Amino acid sequence: GQNIDQPTEMTATEGAIVQINCTYQTSGFNGLFWYQQHAGEAPTFLSYNVLDGLEEKGRFSSFLSRSKGYSYLLLKELQMKDSASYLCAVTTGGGNKLTFGTGTQLKVEL
Amino acid sequence: DGGITQSPKYLFRKEGQNVTLSCEQNLNHDAMYWYRQDPGQGLRLIYYSQIVNDFQKGDIAEGYSVSREKKESFPLTVTSAQKNPTAFYLCASSPKGAVTDTQYFGPGTRLTVL
Repeated sequence: GQNIDQPTEMTATEGAIVQINCTYQTSGFNGLFWYQQHAGEAPTFLSYNVLDGLEEKGRFSSFLSRSKGYSYLLLKELQMKDSASYLCAVTTGGGNKLTFGTGTQLKVEL
Repeated sequence: DGGITQSPKYLFRKEGQNVTLSCEQNLNHDAMYWYRQDPGQGLRLIYYSQIVNDFQKGDIAEGYSVSREKKESFPLTVTSAQKNPTAFYLCASSPKGAVTDTQYFGPGTRLTVL
């Protein structure tokens, strides 16, 4: 089966940097997605990693190590609007089926 | 404006009644998906379809049914056989259903069964 682990909650200060980790144990791993979800709303796409390394996109960066089954999402210059749940999801096998972690609830404080 | 619409946003039903949730997309995407989200759990895949007139069960298909008669539409029926139907239901679509495709989500329907 698939197993994806993320911390349940994190708290950080406005303007700071926060790293949200995701570890996975899956068979037939293809790639890893990060989504942001505000309470009661749809998840929105943040990043996709298929190769090892860091992908940078503005204030958000995502890292993948396939050999370690590990990814992180890095958020810089935190803003209050970044308070949300961050979902890690992997694709396995030949299709586009996503398996999600339980999500990390990030709270940004003044 | 291209996007995915789900209606209604909130839905209440009595126990024992079937209910159908709508999902429409005008993105010209081939693949569509239904997920269920419960507090403290990740999104779980109910059904998915990669082409019109074809669909496959996801991880938790029991008590649900779908149809894909048109490319734009992928309605989900929650039947009375579903033991715990109260949840937040999310529909998504992706261009071709390829491994590298991003899935885009609709706004969701919160179903409460009384």
